[in-house]
Amino acid sequence: SQTIHQWPATLVQPVGSPLSLECTVEGTSNPNLYWYRQAAGRGLQLLFYSVGIGQISSEVPQNLSASRPQDRQFILSSKKLLLSDSGFYLCAWSVPPGLGQFFGPGTRLTVL
Amino acid sequence: AQSVTQPDIHITVSEGASLELRCNYSYGATPYLFWYVQSPGQGLQLLLKYFSGDTLVQGIKGFEAEFKRSQSSFNLRKPSVHWSDAAEYFCAVGTSYNTDKLIFGTGTRLQVFP
Repeated sequence: SQTIHQWPATLVQPVGSPLSLECTVEGTSNPNLYWYRQAAGRGLQLLFYSVGIGQISSEVPQNLSASRPQDRQFILSSKKLLLSDSGFYLCAWSVPPGLGQFFGPGTRLTVL
Repeated sequence: AQSVTQPDIHITVSEGASLELRCNYSYGATPYLFWYVQSPGQGLQLLLKYFSGDTLVQGIKGFEAEFKRSQSSFNLRKPSVHWSDAAEYFCAVGTSYNTDKLIFGTGTRLQVFP
């Protein structure tokens, strides 16, 4: 069966520090991968998605970036965190067409 | 542009009562639709999905949803709510079979009283 992992689960970082969040998927090949941010009390905002290794599409302008160095690994990064980067970050995978996305447990990021 | 509206931000029901969560979508083509549930501090879990065919779809945890094209709606229902159903519920519409991108509603928070 397929599983998706995210780490760390919780992270507290100072403003201006770098960020690296990792997501890995097991039990499937060539998935689409997604990064979302969920601000407190709000819905999900799609940040990036990837349909293959090295293929990244950005949905919103920001100081975050994403990379997909391996088929089942998706990394969210920042060189310098802002206070507004605080939130709950969710990774998801899908195997199209149209079966839905499956989410990881999330990372709670607090920028102080 | 595609969009999803969940008109109810917060709903409170008594345990054992019936539940209906509303979802309206705007999409030019035949949509494929989803309902997800999120417990506090957790990821989202897929409850059910609609692609085509039977407009009444069954999901996990006793939930069902009905697709009504004429009303552009995909409401989620449960005949008898349990205290463990308290969570945030998100409706989503799929916009592309290739990318599998989804547009999510803003969510409905369900509170269940004993």
